[in-house]
Amino acid sequence: GAVVSQHPSWVICKSGTSVKIECRSLDFQATTMFWYRQFPKQSLMLMATSNEGSKATYEQGVEKDKFLINHASLTLSTLTVTSAHPEDSSFYICSASGSPDTQYFGPGTRLTVL
Amino acid sequence: AQSVTQPDIHITVSEGASLELRCNYSYGATPYLFWYVQSPGQGLQLLLKYFSGDTLVQGIKGFEAEFKRSQSSFNLRKPSVHWSDAAEYFCAVAPNRDDKIIFGKGTRLHILP
Repeated sequence: GAVVSQHPSWVICKSGTSVKIECRSLDFQATTMFWYRQFPKQSLMLMATSNEGSKATYEQGVEKDKFLINHASLTLSTLTVTSAHPEDSSFYICSASGSPDTQYFGPGTRLTVL
Repeated sequence: AQSVTQPDIHITVSEGASLELRCNYSYGATPYLFWYVQSPGQGLQLLLKYFSGDTLVQGIKGFEAEFKRSQSSFNLRKPSVHWSDAAEYFCAVAPNRDDKIIFGKGTRLHILP
């Protein structure tokens, strides 16, 4: 089946620094990718929809200047958490639309901000 | 607005027993419905999905789910659970096949030996 990778799988950073997370579709082209956030023992919350070649669409309440999304190619989307703070610590998961009726999820990236 | 309700936060069953996880959705039309499983520290794995057709859907790992329009439900079932089934289970809904997915809050399944 289709594979979506995320890099890094975990990252620890200092407060105030920026962190970039990559989401790649390894064996298919994805015009649309989604970014989710999951707090411990909670559900996934959609942050934004990333479309190749255009600006991302952010969900209500998500700061677009803090969570920068770039969908540079049909196989790569990046999420940059700018000026990270401890409250940004979370599990970030991306998904990619491959075949017409399926989304494939990445393994997630655990971000810890000290 | 779409929403998904999983009324049970935790479910505990004995190994070998049957399982049913409940899911109710709120949506104007017939949505696309999914069940995902997440093991600790892992990503999501799709168990099964319903788009149209037969309302009883077979998935991987011996799971099945039944879409009941009259009850707005999409409950997940398994006739005999294994210890390896212990995980978090998410019911989810989407308005279209490729659209954003809205997740329920999840049900954590515990298996007793």
